[in-house]
Amino acid sequence: GESVGLHLPTLSVQEGDNSIINCAYSNSASDYFIWYKQESGKGPQFIIDIRSNMDKRQGQRVTVLLNKTVKHLSLQIAATQPGDSAVYFCAEPNSGYSTLTFGKGTMLLVSP
Amino acid sequence: GAVVSQHPSRVICKSGTSVKIECRSLDFQATTMFWYRQFPKQSLMLMATSNEGSKATYEQGVEKDKFLINHASLTLSTLTVTSAHPEDSSFYICSARVHGNYGYTFGSGTRLTVV
Repeated sequence: GESVGLHLPTLSVQEGDNSIINCAYSNSASDYFIWYKQESGKGPQFIIDIRSNMDKRQGQRVTVLLNKTVKHLSLQIAATQPGDSAVYFCAEPNSGYSTLTFGKGTMLLVSP
Repeated sequence: GAVVSQHPSRVICKSGTSVKIECRSLDFQATTMFWYRQFPKQSLMLMATSNEGSKATYEQGVEKDKFLINHASLTLSTLTVTSAHPEDSSFYICSARVHGNYGYTFGSGTRLTVV
């Protein structure tokens, strides 16, 4: 079945560093992925998404890379700030786009 | 746009009582809403999918008689935790998919504590 997972449960970085959060998926037919940020006690917030016809997509300070060959995607955050401290999830809709499956999440801790 | 409002944000109830959580789409019509449960330091687990005007679809292992879902209008879905027990204490989050859009919008979550 479909599954989405993460390699690193916790990532600690210094302010100003670049952060890379990884995610693996198992369904080679998956064609859409979303990254969410969840701050403590809040619901997930959309960060960036990417379709399978793309390898890379950039936003403001964030970049998502998709490697379909190894079924891996990553979220890169440039010049990480303390406000970036949160849990980051990758998510994948099912084939009918009716539900989302979330990965395990990575907690990003940014120290000043 | 595409804002989902969830209330209450926090609730404490006694064991054996029922609690209702509301999820409203403020500026769009949500044909389908989703309910997730999240335990500390864990991911979001889908509990059920609620469809306006029809019965909810529950994920395997989720008791439909315990977690009652009502989606009577295009802007409101409710989750009622019946006969709550301490093990039901969790963070409950609703979500809606914006019609015609691949986006999914989330509520701010409800922290339920059963004592």
